[in-house]
Amino acid sequence: NAGVTQTPKFQVLKTGQSMTLQCAQDMNHEYMSWYRQDPGMGLRLIHYSVGAGITDQGEVPNGYNVSRSTTEDFPLRLLSAAPSQTSVYFCASSYQGGVYEQYFGPGTRLTVT
Amino acid sequence: AQSVTQLDSHVSVSEGTPVLLRCNYSSSYSPSLFWYVQHPNKGLQLLLKYTSAATLVKGINGFEAEFKKSETSFHLTKPSAHMSDAAEYFCVVSDRANDYKLSFGAGTTVTVRA
Repeated sequence: NAGVTQTPKFQVLKTGQSMTLQCAQDMNHEYMSWYRQDPGMGLRLIHYSVGAGITDQGEVPNGYNVSRSTTEDFPLRLLSAAPSQTSVYFCASSYQGGVYEQYFGPGTRLTVT
Repeated sequence: AQSVTQLDSHVSVSEGTPVLLRCNYSSSYSPSLFWYVQHPNKGLQLLLKYTSAATLVKGINGFEAEFKKSETSFHLTKPSAHMSDAAEYFCVVSDRANDYKLSFGAGTTVTVRA
């Protein structure tokens, strides 16, 4: 099993550009989520999904869009990049949310200039 | 609302000495609590979790944590630090009032001196 994979590993965008961060898992997990990690702030939930076709907002959803058309994939779209979105982004999956272990991808380091 | 406070942003220990990372939580319901570790430029890995069973929880790599409801604490300990323990550690809470979404503490960076 590859676990949770994320692409790209690094990305530099100019303000106003859009892009999609890819996330895929091969563990047949229903629950998937996106976090951003900023220094001194831990990880903050952006969006999450409890199954294919179902998504919901987390703590910091503004400027981001998600969809979940398959169990395996959960892409994160930046609609119009801003410098405040410079961060490290982690995708995670688990059997369900809550008490179950979250499996994290290796992260995408995004810089917006 | 659930929240987590990690009381130390940075802890420095000598190899072979004990490690203590402090975590206090706030939760309206019986919480689930976790410790995750992040090595440099890596994703997060689960160390251990508490989900209303035994209050002393043993995890991987010799770590353990004790859930103390009266103190709303979930401190992480290890009797003897190893160089490979140098990493960032996150305390995490989840409860049904927040639809079991995870709330992360700000993290504690551990440095191990030879």
